Amino acid sequence: DIVMTQSPDSLAVSLGERATINCKSSQSVLYRSNNNNYLSWYQQKPGQPPKLLIYWASTRESGVPDRFSGSGSGTDFTLTISSLQAEDVAVYYCQQYYSTPQTFGQGTRLEIK
Amino acid sequence: QITLKESGPTLVKPTQTLTLTCTFSGFSLSTSGVGVGWIRQPPGKALEWLALIYWDDDKRYSPSLESRLIITKDTSKNQVVLIMTNMDPVDTATYYCTHVSTTVTTTWGQGTLVTVSS
Repeated sequence: DIVMTQSPDSLAVSLGERATINCKSSQSVLYRSNNNNYLSWYQQKPGQPPKLLIYWASTRESGVPDRFSGSGSGTDFTLTISSLQAEDVAVYYCQQYYSTPQTFGQGTRLEIK
Repeated sequence: QITLKESGPTLVKPTQTLTLTCTFSGFSLSTSGVGVGWIRQPPGKALEWLALIYWDDDKRYSPSLESRLIITKDTSKNQVVLIMTNMDPVDTATYYCTHVSTTVTTTWGQGTLVTVSS
């Protein structure tokens, strides 16, 4: 199985400031034949299912605010929230879908400082 | 608009078999590249991928649970069923069904909490 490791486990950021969450995979999730990284980011608020934010490592899902961005390739990825809003308080997960079983990171809890 | 809804028992006893049904709308499971998956989340813990069935009946399972899982689809009813045998208290979790498009999990149901207890 591909192990996904997120850092940090929790993060407190002031409103309007940048938040950065990292995700590292135990092996590359870059499929060279199409140059796609098989990596998604999800946001989960309390009592709700996860919501897709980013797929193919850097493609923003329709309707997701442009303050959310994804970057990285191979084994190292980053989710960045450029200017934190109160509604961004949530747990964030990365997921690889390069191979089955698809696997998730342990989650990063984002709070307001 | 894609929607999915999970249904099934909220309480099962240890050793029993769990049967969950996902009823969906807004897409067809006969469309190339489309699938329906199952993912669970124990209370306060991270997400765990369980199984996935594609439009062409290709089925994928988590190797650690494969011996206990069966996933099937009824395209005419817009339903996918997940069967998990020999339930244990550690299987207590919220079970989500999901829409998958070209391997990307795009949309999640609201989830159903299943408690395993005698």
